[in-house]
Amino acid sequence: DGGITQSPKYLFRKEGQNVTLSCEQNLNHDAMYWYRQDPGQGLRLIYYSQIVNDFQKGDIAEGYSVSREKKESFPLTVTSAQKNPTAFYLCASSMSNRESDTQYFGPGTRLTVL
Amino acid sequence: GQNIDQPTEMTATEGAIVQINCTYQTSGFNGLFWYQQHAGEAPTFLSYNVLDGLEEKGRFSSFLSRSKGYSYLLLKELQMKDSASYLCAVRDRTGGSYIPTFGRGTSLIVHP
Repeated sequence: DGGITQSPKYLFRKEGQNVTLSCEQNLNHDAMYWYRQDPGQGLRLIYYSQIVNDFQKGDIAEGYSVSREKKESFPLTVTSAQKNPTAFYLCASSMSNRESDTQYFGPGTRLTVL
Repeated sequence: GQNIDQPTEMTATEGAIVQINCTYQTSGFNGLFWYQQHAGEAPTFLSYNVLDGLEEKGRFSSFLSRSKGYSYLLLKELQMKDSASYLCAVRDRTGGSYIPTFGRGTSLIVHP
């Protein structure tokens, strides 16, 4: 089956620890994205990547880091510098970043920092 | 950037019709998306409008007026499973980035 997978679905970490969220896609999409969703808020863009070995900051990149070493994978690290890391994190991909290309989302990871 | 506005919450009765509005302000409009998101799940794509007019897909239709900066999602013959959040997202070509900006979503509650 083609799709986007994120793991784990629920993640708990202690304050001050870095944590890495996984995102894998087998859709052969060039572009991948990370969003954060908080209650009552829209999706906010953290980072995006249009091609392997390249990525750009989104609107709320502070306290996060990413890598794009393979086309299929776009892991997100939530560092201890992120002040409010508890949130629902969504990964998405699209064929490219051009007009009309639709984003497809993974099932999300709910991160809780204790 | 874009300023996207949608109602926070709406309620409707099973079998009825509901219209969810979305207004936006953007300098380089390049398309509008509607997504459905059930609680704790991924958003799923519903529709895409880039030209003025109505796009119909079964029970769901989406309308766009670029001159008014306005779109709506129309849901007919409502079912209980339509209870979800509906996200409006606007794509802007300014700066060469075509990444959509999402509104806060409209939570739709369908009751018997």
